[in-house]
Amino acid sequence: DAKTTQPPSMDCAEGRAANLPCNHSTISGNEYVYWYRQIHSQGPQYIIHGLKNNETNEMASLIITEDRKSSTLILPHATLRDTAVYYCIDNYGQNFVFGPGTRLSVLP
Amino acid sequence: DAGVTQSPTHLIKTRGQQVTLRCSPKSGHDTVSWYQQALGQGPQFIFQYYEEEERQRGNFPDRFSGHQFPNYSSELNVNALLLGDSALYLCASSSTDLVGANEKLFFGSGTQLSVL
Repeated sequence: DAKTTQPPSMDCAEGRAANLPCNHSTISGNEYVYWYRQIHSQGPQYIIHGLKNNETNEMASLIITEDRKSSTLILPHATLRDTAVYYCIDNYGQNFVFGPGTRLSVLP
Repeated sequence: DAGVTQSPTHLIKTRGQQVTLRCSPKSGHDTVSWYQQALGQGPQFIFQYYEEEERQRGNFPDRFSGHQFPNYSSELNVNALLLGDSALYLCASSSTDLVGANEKLFFGSGTQLSVL
């Protein structure tokens, strides 16, 4: 079973920031927070990951709370191509356990 | 640099048959994991291969078996197919040297298996 919890769905207007939350209630000290997304009929795509500090790359930003019990993935300017299922995962060196994720719909 | 490649992309089988799916990992990766994704659900871990041995296994019956070759490519075999085996089968590769700060899974596009 997945260790993380996410809302099942969210909508976002095109061009606006999409903020996707995740709860990591049982995360352990050495586990990283990962975010992946899956566009219809494709394999999951890596977005970003981090341990304690906030991270940013060309795709997104990751905000991790100080107690590491929750994280937020931020897509700063969502486009229609960002419509996908987004998964957050805690992991260190084990198999990645996916929950049902959040289905993000970016609306024109 | 080729990513993870899987073949075939689509497959139709009938109940009771056997199927073999193939995966070539990303260049430089030595570990292959297989996932099953039913419609509307997240991927479920089947097993992981490293150094030609099964290293971890999820909650799947032994009808599901695998193999890893010296070139790190891998096969997933499913025997005695059931209707419930219809799913997208995903292969993911990673590098054991990068566990921790640099660990990432790279996924192929999957094989869509339909069991009739």
